[in-house]
Order: sequence, then C-alpha cells, then structure tokens
Amino acid sequence: EDKVVQSPLSLVVHEGDTVTLNCSYEVTNFRSLLWYKQEKKAPTFLFMLTSSGIEKKSGRLSSILDKKELFSILNITATQTGDSAIYLCAAASGTYKYIFGTGTRLKVLA
Amino acid sequence: EADIYQTPRYLVIGTGKKITLECSQTMGHDKMYWYQQDPGMELHLIHYSYGVNSTEKGDLSSESTVSRIRTEHFPLTLESARPSHTSQYLCASSEYIGGPIYNEQFFGPGTRLTVL
Repeated sequence: EDKVVQSPLSLVVHEGDTVTLNCSYEVTNFRSLLWYKQEKKAPTFLFMLTSSGIEKKSGRLSSILDKKELFSILNITATQTGDSAIYLCAAASGTYKYIFGTGTRLKVLA
Repeated sequence: EADIYQTPRYLVIGTGKKITLECSQTMGHDKMYWYQQDPGMELHLIHYSYGVNSTEKGDLSSESTVSRIRTEHFPLTLESARPSHTSQYLCASSEYIGGPIYNEQFFGPGTRLTVL
C-alpha cells in the first residue's frame, strides 16, 4: 500500500530557530515529491523534487530528495511567526495519484 | 497565480438534502481531483478525472458522485447529506507538462460542509 509518513507530527520553536521536517515515502511508480504549506484553507505549493541530491531553495526554505533512501527533508532557517502552518508532503505516483502525509504542524513563537 | 474556485466556501445543511459543491479552474488543466480532509488529518482522494467525460473513484470510499462535462468544471454531488459527510472538501487540478512529470496540484480554497 502506498504511504507517506511525516515527522515530527508537531513542532514548537522560537523565532530565529532552524527546523527540519522529514518525509519518507513508499509508493509504486514514484514520479516526484511535493511540499505544500497549509495555513487556514487550501495547501499552497512550495517545491517539487524529482531528482536526488539537488537542493531546491526559496528564500529561507530549502528541500532535498533522496530517492535511494526514499525520503525528503524541508528546512526552514531563521523561522518567523508567519511560518506557522501545517507542512504537507505528497508523493506523485503514476499518471494521476498524489499520496499525502498527515503533515507536520509547526508553531513559531515570537 | 492559480485560478481554481470553489463555491460555496461554507455550507450548513440538514440531513437528507441534496447538495452540489462547485469547482472551476481557468488554467485548462486536464486532471481534476476532489479530496476530503478532516481537521488535523491527511487529505484523502475521493474522485479524480483525466479529462472530459472521464471520472474515477479515489482511494477513500465516498457516497458522492462527480461529473466532467467541461474541462474547467468538476462538480461534486451528495444526493442525501448525512452528518458523517461533515468535512472540508478540497478541489485541485494539475496538468501533464512532458516526460514523466506532472505539474504540481493547484488547490481551490475549499468548502467546509456541516450536515446537521
């Protein structure tokens, strides 16, 4: 059965801290790994990773994929209160399927 | 910017009523999806569509039905709402961009449904 597991489930840090969120996956016909940020309503796209070892960066966020060990990490440096959200990891499988993890709930305290 | 719309945003309705949740996208994406998400839980795929006149059930069993008569429109219908249908419903779309890669999914703002 396809599955995506994220850890930790929740995290509370102070502004300025660096956090690492983990995502492991076991899916058939894996195509890509996606990260989303979900605040109040719909998830918003952060990164899509298709190749191992190539880091993607966007400001204070970065992510990398390891297709051999079947995991990805999302790093957030110098966290801000606006980073508080649920971070979702999803594995794209086959021609249509996206399998989502339960998410990591991040709370950044001022 | 992604243009995918859902209406209504909130709906409170009594048991036994028929409801239709609307989803439209203006990006010309071929694939569309409906997910159900309870608070603090993962997204569960309930329906998807490859394109016009193509719909399939997802992994989570659902009593809802969908239709795809036009590329941009993917409504979800519950014939007889029950309290167990109370949840958030998220619509999404994606497109094939070449090779083995599909684009990321773009999500609508969601419909929060409460059935009394």
